[in-house]
Amino acid sequence: DARVTQTPRHKVTEMGQEVTMRCQPILGHNTVFWYRQTMMQGLELLAYFRNRAPLDDSGMPKDRFSAEMPDATLATLKIQPSEPRDSAVYFCASGFSNRGLAGGDEQFFGPGTRLTVL
Amino acid sequence: AQSVSQHNHHVILSEAASLELGCNYSYGGTVNLFWYVQYPGQHLQLLLKYFSGDPLVKGIKGFEAEFIKSKFSFNLRKPSVQWSDTAEYFCAVNAPGGATNKLIFGTGTLLAVQP
Repeated sequence: DARVTQTPRHKVTEMGQEVTMRCQPILGHNTVFWYRQTMMQGLELLAYFRNRAPLDDSGMPKDRFSAEMPDATLATLKIQPSEPRDSAVYFCASGFSNRGLAGGDEQFFGPGTRLTVL
Repeated sequence: AQSVSQHNHHVILSEAASLELGCNYSYGGTVNLFWYVQYPGQHLQLLLKYFSGDPLVKGIKGFEAEFIKSKFSFNLRKPSVQWSDTAEYFCAVNAPGGATNKLIFGTGTLLAVQP
């Protein structure tokens, strides 16, 4: 049963510390998405990749957030320095997109990383 | 730009009541439509999706949705809800074949089913 995996599942850190969240997309998927979910803002798209290339990171605060895909099996989201307002659940999702063809584009979500910044 | 509206933010129903959650989108071309569900403390899971063909789509757990192109709507329905349907429901849309294939999510509808 193929699944998106995320680590860590929970992270508590102090303000100013670096936080790295990792995601392993489903094997064979070529798109990876990072979302942030909070009570106040709901589900926000932070960044997304297609074939490991960043396509859209307009939803991400550039000064402290960075997203990368070192290889096809790993996506990372880093926050440096972290702030209390970054406390949220961060979801990774992956999918397969064959641009130009109808259908597909379904996203499979990971279990999320619950981040608390004190 | 594409957008998705879910007008019901909170819905409270008793068990066995019928459910209809509204979803409207703004996009003039061909769209793919999705409903996701997020149970308390869990991640989003796909309920159903529409790409083409029969506009009445059946999903898991007795849910269905109807795509009405003229109304730009994709409402979610279930004839008889259960306590276990308590969750948050998200409608999403994307345009196939576009420059990007990201999903545009609605703000979600929180459903509470009372036993």
